[in-house]
Amino acid sequence: GNSVTQMEGPVTLSEEAFLTINCTYTATGYPSLFWYVQYPGEGLQLLLKATKADDKGSNKGFEATYRKETTSFHLEKGSVQVSDSAVYFCALSYGSNYKLTFGKGTLLTVNP
Amino acid sequence: DAGVIQSPRHEVTEMGQEVTLRCKPISGHDYLFWYRQTMMRGLELLIYFNNNVPIDDSGMPEDRFSAKMPNASFSTLKIQPSEPRDSAVYFCASSPFERQETQYFGPGTRLLVL
Repeated sequence: GNSVTQMEGPVTLSEEAFLTINCTYTATGYPSLFWYVQYPGEGLQLLLKATKADDKGSNKGFEATYRKETTSFHLEKGSVQVSDSAVYFCALSYGSNYKLTFGKGTLLTVNP
Repeated sequence: DAGVIQSPRHEVTEMGQEVTLRCKPISGHDYLFWYRQTMMRGLELLIYFNNNVPIDDSGMPEDRFSAKMPNASFSTLKIQPSEPRDSAVYFCASSPFERQETQYFGPGTRLLVL
């Protein structure tokens, strides 16, 4: 079946540091890929998405590129801020049922 | 524009009691999803609806759980009887037909069963 594996957290960075959160997937065919973010006490919000190979999703300074050859969708940001502290979820959707399969989530803490 | 609304935000109950969680999706959205989030198991899809009809309930843990969507603007998730292992955060999400894979989440209901 479909699955998503993302790097274990927690991740702790200083402000303005470079961020990478790794995500790899297993799926038959070519899924759509997503990053969702969950701020403390809130529901998940879509951060970015990519629907086909080599697409790059971007939003709020975050980027992720759909790599078919390595089945990966790593999240990056060049300079993190304290306000980026949250849990980040990688997810995929495949086929016509549009169900999302989520990774376990990675807690990011950014210190001033 | 209001987002997905869930109530209550917090619920504390005793084992054996009935619990009802409520969700109002974003107006015009055709899909509604119920998720459960725990530290051990992460985010799990319990059930989803399309145009008020349940499409896939394979994630519902057992017969103690039931979900209904009587109309396009309201859904309930019921647990009867509740058990301590049901303690979790329950999220409702909705999505529009034209962007079905983009789900909009509510703030969640934090359930504690004593």
